[in-house]
Amino acid sequence: GAGVSQSPSNKVTEKGKDVELRCDPISGHTALYWYRQSLGQGLEFLIYFQGNSAPDKSGLPSDRFSAERTGGSVSTLTIQRTQQEDSAVYLCASSPSGGIGYTFGSGTRLTVV
Amino acid sequence: SQKIEQNSEALNIQEGKTATLTCNYTNYSPAYLQWYRQDPGRGPVFLLLIRENEKEKRKERLKVTFDTTLKQSLFHITASQPADSATYLCALDQGFGNEKLTFGTGTRLTIIP
Repeated sequence: GAGVSQSPSNKVTEKGKDVELRCDPISGHTALYWYRQSLGQGLEFLIYFQGNSAPDKSGLPSDRFSAERTGGSVSTLTIQRTQQEDSAVYLCASSPSGGIGYTFGSGTRLTVV
Repeated sequence: SQKIEQNSEALNIQEGKTATLTCNYTNYSPAYLQWYRQDPGRGPVFLLLIRENEKEKRKERLKVTFDTTLKQSLFHITASQPADSATYLCALDQGFGNEKLTFGTGTRLTIIP
């Protein structure tokens, strides 16, 4: 597609529920990243996929967080048993070759009540 | 520990003047440094990339310098306009072939008419 698409744009969920956030990267981009941005804070790295290599999961804050990327394209970030501190904007980005010039989606605003 | 610092949280500049934003880093050996613009409610947008062996890069009214000895980058917007008001983020790769980007917390720039 023309840009990185994320869905849903907004998600309100009850504490303890599981959520899935979806990212559609730019076609042909081999690298895909998930970041989290809390209100007034910087971008916190979560996970990085590059081609067929094993993902870099070093930023996932707990084992409640997981992500997969199917067919080298669409990615899903899953948060299990959501907690209030998970409330943030989750941003996905893709790039054609590693870290050169990310294109970000508009994010999913997650609110855990 | 690794750290990326952007000079101030907020910067107010008179329209028409040059805005200068600073990014300092410690304990990184980046192959390149990038600058992004983020508007409220949107994902960051890539502006410029400068490589470790480049001193300066220009794009229209934007200029970036990179001093790997001082471990600092300066981002200049000349002839600033109210439409330049946004948060500006610098980002570094991890070096040594690790292309994951770490972002600074950003400087919120306001251009006053």
